[in-house]
Amino acid sequence: KQEVTQIPAALSVPEGENLVLNCSFTDSAIYNLQWFRQDPGKGLTSLLLIQSSQREQTSGRLNASLDKSSGRSTLYIAASQPGDSATYLCAVGGETSGSRLTFGEGTQLTVNP
Amino acid sequence: EAQVTQNPRYLITVTGKKLTVTCSQNMNHEYMSWYRQDPGLGLRQIYYSMNVEVTDKGDVPEGYKVSRKEKRNFPLILESPSPNQTSLYFCASSFRVGYGYTFGSGTRLTVV
Repeated sequence: KQEVTQIPAALSVPEGENLVLNCSFTDSAIYNLQWFRQDPGKGLTSLLLIQSSQREQTSGRLNASLDKSSGRSTLYIAASQPGDSATYLCAVGGETSGSRLTFGEGTQLTVNP
Repeated sequence: EAQVTQNPRYLITVTGKKLTVTCSQNMNHEYMSWYRQDPGLGLRQIYYSMNVEVTDKGDVPEGYKVSRKEKRNFPLILESPSPNQTSLYFCASSFRVGYGYTFGSGTRLTVV
């Protein structure tokens, strides 16, 4: 059974800092990996989608990498801003699970002005 | 605007009173799914549908029903809600298996 772990569970940084969020998964048989952002009481906003054949994806200040063989992904946020404060969720789409997304528990990020 | 729409956003109900949470997507997506989110347990899949009239159980299907009579709609039915079904529910859709997901805004359900 796929398990997804996100480290750290919470992170507090000053504005302007570059930061890395980590995600690891136990089963490398994946279709893709998707990073989401969730604001309190709100839905999930898709940030980046990496297909299993890809190594990284970039969108603005965000860069996500995928190392399928080692079961790891990182989300890099450059020049963090207070508006980046949210919970970041990593989700893995499995080949053998009806494309079920298996989620990590998230990293709660606070960016202080 | 491409989106997944859930209704209602908030619902308080009593034990045993049947309810339906609706989900609709306007992107012609084949794949739809329901998740629940609980503190300490994260997001878990309840049911999914690969296409019209094709549905299957996820990780936590007990106490729920779904149907997929039309491509755009995927309602979640609680025949006899219980307090342990108090949760935040999300509907999601994807063009096809293996593509990225779009999530709805969520339905916060409280069963008393």
